[in-house]
Amino acid sequence: QKEVEQNSGPLSVPEGAIASLNCTYSDRGSQSFFWYRQYSGKSPELIMSIYSNGDKEDGRFTAQLNKASQYVSLLIRDSQPSDSATYLCAVSSGSARQLTFGSGTQLTVLP
Amino acid sequence: DADVTQTPRNRITKTGKRIMLECSQTKGHDRMYWYRQDPGLGLRLIYYSFDVKDINKGEISDGYSVSRQAQAKFSLSLESAIPNQTALYFCATSARGSGTGELFFGEGSRLTVL
Repeated sequence: QKEVEQNSGPLSVPEGAIASLNCTYSDRGSQSFFWYRQYSGKSPELIMSIYSNGDKEDGRFTAQLNKASQYVSLLIRDSQPSDSATYLCAVSSGSARQLTFGSGTQLTVLP
Repeated sequence: DADVTQTPRNRITKTGKRIMLECSQTKGHDRMYWYRQDPGLGLRLIYYSFDVKDINKGEISDGYSVSRQAQAKFSLSLESAIPNQTALYFCATSARGSGTGELFFGEGSRLTVL
């Protein structure tokens, strides 16, 4: 059973701070890693993807991947109240490259 | 209009009833998926289809069936609904070659089975 683990939170950070979201996965053969954001009552939307070890930056978002430790993280710099949402980690593995999702971390950015 | 449209958006039904959730997309994607979301359990894959003639079971297919009527339409059926199928159901699409990682979700169908 492939597992993707996230702290459910809630995680609260003040406006302007760095929010750090973490995810671990069990399948060492996993190839691709994704972060989805889901606002309350809405559908998930992709915000970051990362495929190789290291950091990938996109605006205020940085995804970090460490395959040896089977660990992927998402950093949100200068957090805004509009970043308040649930963040879902997703991992692609297997011949069909199906996504396995974590249960999500609820982030609240306090004004 | 949404690129991925699900109907109905909300449905309340009784145990033992047959329910169909429908999904249509205008994105032109070959691949379509049905997920369910439960509090604390994240998104779990029920069925997926890479084209009209290719349908595959996901992690939790028991109690569900699907039909891919056309490239743009993918329906999920609960033949005899039970209360533990109460959940939020999402249809999603992805493009061939995207590595199945970039999914585009519909707005969700909330199903309550009494």
